[in-house]
Amino acid sequence: AQTVTQSQPEMSVQEAETVTLSCTYDTSENNYYLFWYKQPPSRQMILVIRQEAYKQQNATENRFSVNFQKAAKSFSLKISDSQLGDTAMYFCAFMKRLTGNQFYFGTGTSLTVIP
Amino acid sequence: AAGVIQSPRHLIKEKRETATLKCYPIPRHDTVYWYQQGPGQDPQFLISFYEKMQSDKGSIPDRFSAQQFSDYHSELNMSSLELGDSALYFCASSSSSYNEQYFGPGTRLTVL
Repeated sequence: AQTVTQSQPEMSVQEAETVTLSCTYDTSENNYYLFWYKQPPSRQMILVIRQEAYKQQNATENRFSVNFQKAAKSFSLKISDSQLGDTAMYFCAFMKRLTGNQFYFGTGTSLTVIP
Repeated sequence: AAGVIQSPRHLIKEKRETATLKCYPIPRHDTVYWYQQGPGQDPQFLISFYEKMQSDKGSIPDRFSAQQFSDYHSELNMSSLELGDSALYFCASSSSSYNEQYFGPGTRLTVL
């Protein structure tokens, strides 16, 4: 079974500062994907960033980047130049590399960006 | 760009009634997923379909059933509704080429 752990239930960051959200996972799989999703108060689930386990290079999407440590089974999200619109619940998710396979979500980190 | 469409957006039902939720995936996406998210919880996987066949199954109650049709849209049928079924139900879709799931806006089901 796969498990995803987000150990920070709540975090806050000053506007324009940098914050890192942590995520660890447990799996015996070798081929898989990792994702970060954002859920603002509207409750829409928005894909932030994706990482394929076989790629050593960390994924980057504008102000969002990850630190993927496969051996340590760690997948943290760094948000640079935080903006008020980044205030949301952030979910880390794991998916085996099989079409149609489910996401395993962590319990989420509620991030508040302070003006 | 086209997104995942879910209908209805809000639904109110009485206990023991039935409900049908519909999901229209992004064009050319061949895989559909259903998730249930209770208040303050992470989404829980229910079931998925790839090319109209069930692909993976999670914690879906026996009272629920789902299918994917020839046009790739999917329906989640929920019978004998219970108070605990009140939740936000997400549909997501993906293509088998990329596997990243794009979520619809959700259907908020309230069971009274």
